[in-house]
Amino acid sequence: EVQLVESGGGLVQPGRSLRLSCTGSGFIFGDYSMSWFRQAPGKGLEWISLIRSKTYGGTIEYAASVKGRFSASRDDSNSIAHLQMNSLQTEDTALYYCSRAYGSDWLFDYWGQGTLATVSS
Amino acid sequence: DIQMTQSPSAMSASVGDRVTITCRASQGIRNYLVWFQQRPGKAPKRLIYAASSLQSGVPSRFSGSGSGTEFTLTISSLQPEDSATYYCLQHNTYPLTFGGGTKVEIK
Repeated sequence: EVQLVESGGGLVQPGRSLRLSCTGSGFIFGDYSMSWFRQAPGKGLEWISLIRSKTYGGTIEYAASVKGRFSASRDDSNSIAHLQMNSLQTEDTALYYCSRAYGSDWLFDYWGQGTLATVSS
Repeated sequence: DIQMTQSPSAMSASVGDRVTITCRASQGIRNYLVWFQQRPGKAPKRLIYAASSLQSGVPSRFSGSGSGTEFTLTISSLQPEDSATYYCLQHNTYPLTFGGGTKVEIK
């Protein structure tokens, strides 16, 4: 069974950092691109980052809202994707989800339950 | 960036009604569109991919159509468990962008 589990969220002051993790199981993690999304309280969904599989160069895309502050990485040997979030702002408060992607057929077909990051003084 | 304009933003319909939700892209995205359902407190669930392909396990009352700039999600006969917010997502071009969502309420 495919599972994705996010962790690492919490309460942090503006300007500080958090590192989120997404642990996958039940599939060949290294074959998939991994993406991060977020949802601010009461708001819609926002895509924030995608890291491609090593097969496709491991290159990374970012939304403009996080580029230069957030950094995605992956550890295929442990089936984990990370999102390093620096210089956090109050508007980064959201539930952060990860999802997997492989072509169109397996694009964002499984999601984790999310991890909440709250940025507040 | 490609803007995805989703309509309506909210609606109320009765059990058995046919429901149609539209997403318009600000430029052509071929068929690179996914529809999600999100129930309160839950992660998004993929319903439709490649604009018209039904996700395995999703009831056949859900269908998607369209290509280019105009896309439609149809629920042929609304059921109580369909009360949720629905989102479209384009993945033709980075940054990936969502529609604003459609909240479907059961009368």
